[in-house]
Amino acid sequence: GNSVTQMEGPVTLSEEAFLTINCTYTATGYPSLFWYVQYPGEGLQLLLKATKADDKGSNKGFEATYRKETTSFHLEKGSVQVSDSAVYFCALSTSGGGADGLTFGKGTHLIIQP
Amino acid sequence: EAGVAQSPRYKIIEKRQSVAFWCNPISGHATLYWYQQILGQGPKLLIQFQNNGVVDDSQLPKDRFSAERLKGVDSTLKIQPAKLEDSAVYLCASSLGPEQYFGPGTRLTVT
Repeated sequence: GNSVTQMEGPVTLSEEAFLTINCTYTATGYPSLFWYVQYPGEGLQLLLKATKADDKGSNKGFEATYRKETTSFHLEKGSVQVSDSAVYFCALSTSGGGADGLTFGKGTHLIIQP
Repeated sequence: EAGVAQSPRYKIIEKRQSVAFWCNPISGHATLYWYQQILGQGPKLLIQFQNNGVVDDSQLPKDRFSAERLKGVDSTLKIQPAKLEDSAVYLCASSLGPEQYFGPGTRLTVT
């Protein structure tokens, strides 16, 4: 079956530090890959996505590249801010456009200290 | 544009009682999903509707969980009878295309 593994949290960084949150997946076929973010007290929001190998998704300074050879979709940001503190979820969908239900990782809690 | 609405936001019940959650998707979204998110885990898909038909309910515990989407708009998810392990946040999401839009969730505590 499909599965997503992401690094355990919490991850604590200082403001302006470089961020990497690792995500690897197992899936049949060619999945679409997503990063969702959940800010304190809010619902899940799509942060970025990539639908085929070597695609790079980007949004709000975050980026992730779909690496088929390593089955990975690591999230990166060059300089984090306190407002980036949230829980980040890596997810996949095996339908062509991602319209099927998502398989999520366990989430990584990110804490940015001023 | 109004987002996905869910109610109630919080519910506390005793085991063996029944409970129902309601979801109103974004207007025009044909696909509706229910997810269960247990503390410390990612959301798990319970059921997916396309209009008022079920697309995927393979992970729905059908002995106690049921869901319906009458008229292809609102949806209700019911648990009867509830168990302690059903304590979780129940998320509703809707989509018109690849991106799913999530509601705020209903936090269920079973004591």
